[in-house]
Amino acid sequence: EDQVTQSPEALRLQEGESSSLNCSYTVSGLRGLFWYRQDPGKGPEFLFTLYSAGEEKEKERLKATLTKKESFLHITAPKPEDSATYLCAVIGSGNTGKLIFGQGTTLQVKP
Amino acid sequence: DTGVSQNPRHKITKRGQNVTFRCDPISEHNRLYWYRQTLGQGPEFLTYFQNEAQLEKSRLLSDRFSAERPKGSFSTLEIQRTEQGDSAMYLCASSTRDTSTDTQYFGPGTRLTVL
Repeated sequence: EDQVTQSPEALRLQEGESSSLNCSYTVSGLRGLFWYRQDPGKGPEFLFTLYSAGEEKEKERLKATLTKKESFLHITAPKPEDSATYLCAVIGSGNTGKLIFGQGTTLQVKP
Repeated sequence: DTGVSQNPRHKITKRGQNVTFRCDPISEHNRLYWYRQTLGQGPEFLTYFQNEAQLEKSRLLSDRFSAERPKGSFSTLEIQRTEQGDSAMYLCASSTRDTSTDTQYFGPGTRLTVL
């Protein structure tokens, strides 16, 4: 059964303090790994898609990387507006396209 | 492109009542997904349409739940005889093309509270 585990569950950073969020996955043939950002009371907002090990994507202060077992979301010099829950999801082979999500990492960046 | 829209944004109902939610996908998207999210958890898949055909339903979708997508445009999700355990955020997402790995874009969700 496809499974996604994110760590830590919660992370508090000072503004400018860089860190990484982890997404470990077990899937029968990875077809895609997705990162989303979710603000309280809102729907997930798409950030990145990664398809194969070694792939990297960047957007402003965020960089996503992928290995055969996990993905990292690196946050460089975060700002308070980066505070949100970050969700990781996968699509496995033989899957109709439904996303299997982890439980998310809630990030709080203090000024 | 106005994004995925969902209505209502909030719904409060009494146990035993029926509720219906609507999702309007991005106009050119032919795939539409419904997910449910409870507090502190990631979204869980409920069902999926390609055009007007409902191609997959989760075990989470009991017989009290029904979803439709007439004419392959908007979709509705109905919950009959609501229970307190149905309280959650109901999210709709859409994607384009026929590749299963295409990016899904989410709507703002409908927050359901069952009293």
